[in-house]
Amino acid sequence: AQKVTQAQTEISVVEKEDVTLDCVYETRDTTYYLFWYKQPPSGELVFLIRRNSFDEQNEISGRYSWNFQKSTSSFNFTITASQVVDSAVYFCALSGFSNDYKLSFGAGTTVTVRA
Amino acid sequence: DVKVTQSSRYLVKRTGEKVFLECVQDMDHENMFWYRQDPGLGLRLIYFSYDVKMKEKGDIPEGYSVSREKKERFSLILESASTNQTSMYLCASSGLRGSGANVLTFGAGSRLTVL
Repeated sequence: AQKVTQAQTEISVVEKEDVTLDCVYETRDTTYYLFWYKQPPSGELVFLIRRNSFDEQNEISGRYSWNFQKSTSSFNFTITASQVVDSAVYFCALSGFSNDYKLSFGAGTTVTVRA
Repeated sequence: DVKVTQSSRYLVKRTGEKVFLECVQDMDHENMFWYRQDPGLGLRLIYFSYDVKMKEKGDIPEGYSVSREKKERFSLILESASTNQTSMYLCASSGLRGSGANVLTFGAGSRLTVL
């Protein structure tokens, strides 16, 4: 069975602060994919990143960065210098390689960035 | 701009009514999905379809059925709506199995209230 835990339900920061969203996963698969999606107030989930379990390199995309640590089964997401437009619900998700189209999602973390 | 379009953004139905939620994608994607989103539970997979007329149960199929008569359209059916089916319903699609199969494109969601 696969499980994704996002322990932080809500995070509130002031603009320009950094914010880190935690994601811990459980899987029996030796190979798998990890994802982050953003759901702004409009409701449509937007794909942010996919990482496969072979690649433990951290990734940076603009103000976003991801830290994948297989040893602790974590795939954390950091927003640097947050902006009001970053306010959204963020979901971490996991899929196996064998049935890679089935994603297991965490409960989501609501980020509120105050001006 | 590629899209997944859900026909109704907000619906209010009465207990026992038959409810149809429609989803159309214009990306010629093979895979289509219906998820349910509830606070604290994240997204849970109801049904998915990997081809026309083909469907598989997800994690919570009870009380739901689906129909995929055309590649671009995937319908979720509540045969007899109940109050515990009040939720946000999200449709998604993805391409062939392989590198793109688990990168989902989501619609904006349909918020269903059953009274």
